[in-house]
This record gives sequence, C-alpha cells and structure tokens, in this order.
Amino acid sequence: DIQMTQSPSSLSASVGDRVTITCRASQAIRNYLAWYQQKPGNAPRRLIHAASSLQSGVPSRFSGSGSGTEFTLTISSLQPEDSATYYCLQHNIYPYTFGQGTKLEIK
Amino acid sequence: QVHLVQSGAEVKKPGASVKVPCKVFGYTFTDYYIHWVRQAPGQGLEWMGWINLNTGRTHYVQNLQGRVTMTGDTSTATAYLDLSRLTSDDTAMYFCAKEAPDTSQLGKPMDFDFWGQGALVTVSS
Repeated sequence: DIQMTQSPSSLSASVGDRVTITCRASQAIRNYLAWYQQKPGNAPRRLIHAASSLQSGVPSRFSGSGSGTEFTLTISSLQPEDSATYYCLQHNIYPYTFGQGTKLEIK
Repeated sequence: QVHLVQSGAEVKKPGASVKVPCKVFGYTFTDYYIHWVRQAPGQGLEWMGWINLNTGRTHYVQNLQGRVTMTGDTSTATAYLDLSRLTSDDTAMYFCAKEAPDTSQLGKPMDFDFWGQGALVTVSS
C-alpha cells in the first residue's frame, strides 16, 4: 500500500499567516492527489483535486502544488474559519490511502 | 444540486451486522461510483472500497474482504454498505462519497467531490 505522510501533524498560526502543509507519498502517484478539509462533526470537504486544481466554490487563498511524491497545500492568508483538520488522499493506486491529517489551530 | 443523505446512528452488538444506507439526489445514480470511507472516533480517514452502480462491480480494501458488501438499489437511488461480524474496532462514522467526474475520460480512478454527512455505527455489548 502507498503510505501518505503528512507534516506537520498539528500547527498553530495567526490570522493572516501563510500556512503550508506537506504530504509525501511512499511511491510516485503522478498528480492523483486531493486535499480535504474537515471540521468537527462534519464530512470532509474537497479543496484541491489533481494536486493543484481548486475545487469550485473554495476560496482562492487555498492552493496546491506538487507531483510524483511530494505535495503541498498552502493557505496564503489564514482566516479564522480555516481552523480544521486537513487530509491528503492518493487515488492513483488501490487501496486509496489518506494522510494521517494535520490539525490547524488559529492562535 | 447534488446531495448524499445518510441516516443517523446505529448501535450493534459484537458479532452482528449493520447495513448503512446512502440516498443520492441531484445526479443520475448510475453515472458515478460510490465510495465508502470510515473514521473511528478521534482518528483519521480510512477508505473501504467502491461500487460501480451501473454494473454492480465492487472493489474492497483487502482487510475487510469477506465482511463487507456494497450494493445499490437503482429504484430508490440508494447505495448500501453491509458490514458483518462487527467488533469494537468497527465503531466509526461511515461516510459515503461520490466519485468525481473524470474530465479526461481516460477511465482514471478519481477522488470524491461530494460526501454524505456520515452515519455513526457503535459496536458495544
């Protein structure tokens, strides 16, 4: 199975900060990588697909990049509503696998 | 407008089975695979498999083979997840998710663009 390793596991940042979350795959997955945001009690919400394509309706402060084995999710100017847990998902090879999650807290 | 609607919560005893429904709205039921993902309390997301609602073909994660069955009822546009021989390790929120369109039309495995709200299954004696 492909292992997806997210870093950091948690972080705390201030409103307006630039935040970057990294996801590393144990083998190349082309650009078959999506990012999801999950708030407590809610289902995950798709933010980024195909590594860098912004999902319709998602604020443009979210962006994704990468290909192969290393990927990043960047929030350019953190907002209070961005407090959540973020997951990456590889869908190149079965079984699909998620990263372990990054819990983002607003200071 | 696409919606995936799941029912609330179930409590089951160890060794029992559970059937979790997921009713879809807003698109043609058989056009997209439905995937199932679960999340144990306080834990991360675990992909369980998919069903092709056009053909009934399924693909399950290896560690659930033999205990999981995914089906679909086209008359009610409802997908189902059946999980048998439940243990406390199966206590989790179970999400259904619609596979996103493959705009390249190359048959690529896709991620999920819409999710149900989840159904909590608690296994307890």
